[in-house]
Amino acid sequence: AQRVTQPEKLLSVFKGAPVELKCNYSYSGSPELFWYVQYSRQRLQLLLRHISRESIKGFTADLNKGETSFHLKKPFAQEEDSAMYYCALKYSSASKIIFGSGTRLSIRP
Amino acid sequence: NAGVTQTPKFQVLKTGQSMTLQCAQDMNHEYMSWYRQDPGMGLRLIHYSVGAGITDQGEVPNGYNVSRSTTEDFPLRLLSAAPSQTSVYFCASSKGVAGARTGELFFGEGSRLTVL
Repeated sequence: AQRVTQPEKLLSVFKGAPVELKCNYSYSGSPELFWYVQYSRQRLQLLLRHISRESIKGFTADLNKGETSFHLKKPFAQEEDSAMYYCALKYSSASKIIFGSGTRLSIRP
Repeated sequence: NAGVTQTPKFQVLKTGQSMTLQCAQDMNHEYMSWYRQDPGMGLRLIHYSVGAGITDQGEVPNGYNVSRSTTEDFPLRLLSAAPSQTSVYFCASSKGVAGARTGELFFGEGSRLTVL
């Protein structure tokens, strides 16, 4: 079955430290993967998509088909990065986007 | 530009009552969907629609009905509410089929539902 797994419910790091939020997926087709973010009192919004190979707010994510992973990374965490992060998978064979269980990132000063 | 608007923001129901969560978007998006957000479970897809008159089931459709009579509106109906349906509900829309070109969903602010 198709699934998105985020193993960490909470990740707490110090400001300036590197950040890696893990995401693994299970999908038999050709995956399209995304990271969404929900800041406090804001709407859930798209952070980045694997197909664009872009860096947004210093975050990057590389799709590793061999390990079926799409981990989100940032070399130096900032306090404003504190938020809830969701990894998402778009089916290629149907009009669906499913999400993982989310990881709450807390940046300590 | 309002984007995706959900009403009500908060609702308390008794078991067995029915209600409708409203969702409207003003971006002329073809695709609309409903998710529920529960602690430790993340966002789970309830129903989705790729255009007016077309709906389909997501991951957790039981206990919910939807219809899509216009491009703008996608209401979610609970016919007989149960405590297990206590959750925060999010409506989302995108251009194209599931944001076919970009994969970008635009979310509403959420509706917090409590079923006693």
